[in-house]
Amino acid sequence: TQLLEQSPQFLSIQEGENLTVYCNSSSVFSSLQWYRQEPGEGPVLLVTVVTGGEVKKLKRLTFQFGDARKDSSLHITAAQPGDTGLYLCAGAIASGSRLTFGEGTQLTVNP
Amino acid sequence: NAGVTQTPKFRVLKTGQSMTLLCAQDMNHEYMYWYRQDPGMGLRLIHYSVGEGTTAKGEVPDGYNVSRLKKQNFLLGLESAAPSQTSVYFCASSPKQGYQETQYFGPGTRLLVL
Repeated sequence: TQLLEQSPQFLSIQEGENLTVYCNSSSVFSSLQWYRQEPGEGPVLLVTVVTGGEVKKLKRLTFQFGDARKDSSLHITAAQPGDTGLYLCAGAIASGSRLTFGEGTQLTVNP
Repeated sequence: NAGVTQTPKFRVLKTGQSMTLLCAQDMNHEYMYWYRQDPGMGLRLIHYSVGEGTTAKGEVPDGYNVSRLKKQNFLLGLESAAPSQTSVYFCASSPKQGYQETQYFGPGTRLLVL
């Protein structure tokens, strides 16, 4: 059983559309991170959220940490082909604990 | 500054063969990790190290061994490869293991066990 569940698992959209990816758990996390992984490469950190209700923006990407710190979402506005990749959420239960990764959302943005 | 590098990039093994995957980092990080990535499973932690000379088991350690003789290197060994070990292996490093720490990943090693 995955501690962190991501949905959807696959998403294919047209350039210019908006999308939201979800990361859910029954556990409370001290922090949640989002990574993006491009084909043939390792994951690269996009953002870390640590406070319940926190919202962080990175250009067209908006990240939100749930009030209860059990879930997070990633919203992309006006998606571009360069946003194509595997989006992974990862959580730490407590300070000093290891990261647990979700199974990922494979996003394809078609021109 | 190369970051995290992995050797080899791709390998094919026959069942029962052994091999060692090498991870090197030039960021002077204390923590290093080995993950495997399989479709629909995300990244699963195999073993990790909190410093030179130390190693610990992760979520899926069976069939693997590791060593951290030098701070900058973390080796992952497969003594007798099995088809279930076909996967993409990623090494990562971080300065500390605090919950806000970034993990820096290598480009991965693709292993096929026949």
